[in-house]
Amino acid sequence: EDQVTQSPEALRLQEGESSSLNCSYTVSGLRGLFWYRQDPGKGPEFLFTLYSAGEEKEKERLKATLTKKESFLHITAPKPEDSATYLCALRTGANNLFFGTGTRLTVIP
Amino acid sequence: NAGVTQTPKFRILKIGQSMTLQCTQDMNHNYMYWYRQDPGMGLKLIYYSVGAGITDKGEVPNGYNVSRSTTEDFPLRLELAAPSQTSVYFCASSWALTSGIDNEQFFGPGTRLTVL
Repeated sequence: EDQVTQSPEALRLQEGESSSLNCSYTVSGLRGLFWYRQDPGKGPEFLFTLYSAGEEKEKERLKATLTKKESFLHITAPKPEDSATYLCALRTGANNLFFGTGTRLTVIP
Repeated sequence: NAGVTQTPKFRILKIGQSMTLQCTQDMNHNYMYWYRQDPGMGLKLIYYSVGAGITDKGEVPNGYNVSRSTTEDFPLRLELAAPSQTSVYFCASSWALTSGIDNEQFFGPGTRLTVL
């Protein structure tokens, strides 16, 4: 059975304090691991897709990495505008997504 | 492009009432999806469609129905609303699954539904 576990549930950082969010997964055959950002009252917004262990992708202050069992979303020198809930999801079936519960990130000025 | 639009933004229903949540996309995507998001829970797939006239159940389909008569529209119907259907509903769309591209899903802004 596919499983996605995100940790921590919530994270508070000072502006400029780098950290990482974790997404642990079990799946019979990985067909893509997705990272989304969700702001309060809005729909999720796509960030990255990773397909194979060792793959890395970057966008501004964010870098996503993938191993055979987990993915990390590294946030370097975060700013208050990076505050959001970050969602991890596995691709299953006909491009369906199986989501984790998310990490709520707060960056304090 | 407006992307994925959903109406209404908010709705309060009484137990036993019915309603339709509307979803439209203008990106000519083949695939469309309906999710619900409950506090502290991940998004759960209700129904999805891989093209006009084709729909299939997701993880939590009970109490809902869908139809897909056009590429653009994918309405979600709630019959006999129950308090357990209080949630935020998101519609999404994507290209067909094709190797070499990310096939990310584009989400609408959501409909917040309360059943009392």
